[in-house]
Amino acid sequence: GNSVTQMEGPVTLSEEAFLTINCTYTATGYPSLFWYVQYPGEGLQLLLKATKADDKGSNKGFEATYRKETTSFHLEKGSVQVSDSAVYFCALRPAAGNKLTFGGGTRVLVKP
Amino acid sequence: GAVVSQHPSWVICKSGTSVKIECRSLDFQATTMFWYRQFPKQSLMLMATSNEGSKATYEQGVEKDKFLINHASLTLSTLTVTSAHPEDSSFYICSGTSGRTDTQYFGPGTRLTVL
Repeated sequence: GNSVTQMEGPVTLSEEAFLTINCTYTATGYPSLFWYVQYPGEGLQLLLKATKADDKGSNKGFEATYRKETTSFHLEKGSVQVSDSAVYFCALRPAAGNKLTFGGGTRVLVKP
Repeated sequence: GAVVSQHPSWVICKSGTSVKIECRSLDFQATTMFWYRQFPKQSLMLMATSNEGSKATYEQGVEKDKFLINHASLTLSTLTVTSAHPEDSSFYICSGTSGRTDTQYFGPGTRLTVL
């Protein structure tokens, strides 16, 4: 079946540091890949997505590239802010169907 | 983006009682709604998928008689936890899609505590 594995947190960083959250997946065919963010007390929000190999999703300074050869979709941001403190979820949706499979989530804490 | 609300945001109930959680799409018509369960420090696990006017499709291992899902309109889905027990305590999250786009819009979640 489909699965998503992402690095466990918490990840603690200083403001303006570089952030990477690793995400790898197992799926047949060509799934769509997503990063969702959950700020404290709020629901999940779509951060970015990529629907085919080599696509790069980007939003709010975050980027992730769909790597078919390594089945990965790592999230990166060059300079984090305190407001980026949240839980980040990597997810996939199979080519056929609309169900999302989530990774375990990574809590990020950015200190001033 | 589209907004999904959930009510209540948290609820405490006694073991053996039933609890209803509402999920509303506020500014779009949700042809499909999803219900998830999230345990502390764990990921979201899909419980069921419901299409407006149809019976919900439950994931393997989810008791449909315990977790009753109704999706009677394009803006409202409800999850009723029947005869709740402490092991049902969890964070329940809904999401909806409009059909025009495959993006899921998530509600803020409902924390259920069963005493």
